[in-house]
Amino acid sequence: GQNIDQPTEMTATEGAIVQINCTYQTSGFNGLFWYQQHAGEAPTFLSYNVLDGLEEKGRFSSFLSRSKGYSYLLLKELQMKDSASYLCAAMDSNYQLIWGAGTKLIIKP
Amino acid sequence: GAVVSQHPSRVICKSGTSVKIECRSLDFQATTMFWYRQFPKKSLMLMATSNEGSKATYEQGVEKDKFLINHASLTLSTLTVTSAHPEDSSFYICSAGAGRENNEQFFGPGTRLTVL
Repeated sequence: GQNIDQPTEMTATEGAIVQINCTYQTSGFNGLFWYQQHAGEAPTFLSYNVLDGLEEKGRFSSFLSRSKGYSYLLLKELQMKDSASYLCAAMDSNYQLIWGAGTKLIIKP
Repeated sequence: GAVVSQHPSRVICKSGTSVKIECRSLDFQATTMFWYRQFPKKSLMLMATSNEGSKATYEQGVEKDKFLINHASLTLSTLTVTSAHPEDSSFYICSAGAGRENNEQFFGPGTRLTVL
């Protein structure tokens, strides 16, 4: 079956760094996405990885290891506005997104 | 670019009535749009894939006659919840692909449906 696993909740301190992990099992693979979702709002795109390695975009970076079925989202210099749910999604061979349940990130002052 | 709008953003209706939700790609053409449903603190659940000019493809367990999807043009898809019941209350989100190499989907702002 197809499955995405990510932690349910994480807590971090303002200004610190946090890494949100995601493991996936899909039928075929066409990329790994990270989305940010604030409560009551639709998800917004953060990153896309299809090749192994680290993609850096400002304070956010995303890493992918296809052989391990593993990705992480790294958030640096955390700000209070980063408090949100972070959704990991893998695209299978039919170009369908398989979604994780999301990781709720709580930022404390 | 790549903006997706949804209307209405919130709707409250009585049990037994039908509700139509519109999803529009404002600055690009989307041959495929996706309809999701999200329960509180749960992951997005794909309901159906909407293809312009053809019938939608529904996921297992989603009632075709209850959730009517029409993709009349390259910029508009509609989801109609027929004979709504309180258990249909949820957050409905549409998304569309802009055909970019990164397969990115652009999401609408979502529609909060409350059925009394």
